Amino acid sequence: LAKTTQPISMDSYEGQEVNITCSHNNIATNDYITWYQQFPSQGPRFIIQGYKTKVTNEVASLFIPADRKSSTLSLPRVSLSDTAVYYCLVGAAGGLTGGGNKLTFGTGTQLKVEL
Amino acid sequence: DVKVTQSSRYLVKRTGEKVFLECVQDMDHENMFWYRQDPGLGLRLIYFSYDVKMKEKGDIPEGYSVSREKKERFSLILESASTNQTSMYLCASRDRDSLNTEAFFGQGTRLTVV
Repeated sequence: LAKTTQPISMDSYEGQEVNITCSHNNIATNDYITWYQQFPSQGPRFIIQGYKTKVTNEVASLFIPADRKSSTLSLPRVSLSDTAVYYCLVGAAGGLTGGGNKLTFGTGTQLKVEL
Repeated sequence: DVKVTQSSRYLVKRTGEKVFLECVQDMDHENMFWYRQDPGLGLRLIYFSYDVKMKEKGDIPEGYSVSREKKERFSLILESASTNQTSMYLCASRDRDSLNTEAFFGQGTRLTVV
């Protein structure tokens, strides 16, 4: 399974765009890139998933370069409520049995948004 | 509304006790996971199951076992609780869909072993 590396923490101010980059040099051909958000005392929540190029939903955008060795989660105009830990995961989608289903989190990036 | 429910939000157990943490999902998902979360260590995978009666070790299975007798229920068992198993335990489930990586998490069980 591809390991991921992301910054331990980031600080921002309300209204700014925040970009969190994740490195995954050993990503496999059938791996997807997924980002989760976790607030204190809650379980992680799925934000966005992508395979290549750019994906956008109502919450965030995910930019994936052609070599797929990194990805960037972009949060537009953050607010105080975006203060959370953000996890980058790399792995196969749920179609495989056994090890293909393993869902491995790292330590995440603590984003702190201030006024 | 999809749901993963963990049986307890807070639990206090004594050293040496056998502890059962229960997780139930109502989404008919094949895959279920147990994690523990400790400050500075992120989420660490203990065990996961990809079908009824099927299980695989995660990254830190020592001191734990699991049971998946029914599709909707995945139990984590601490055979003899120890203080170093004091932690937040999170259960998750995920569909076996080749195009979908989204997992759904429960609210967590904060276990204290004294």
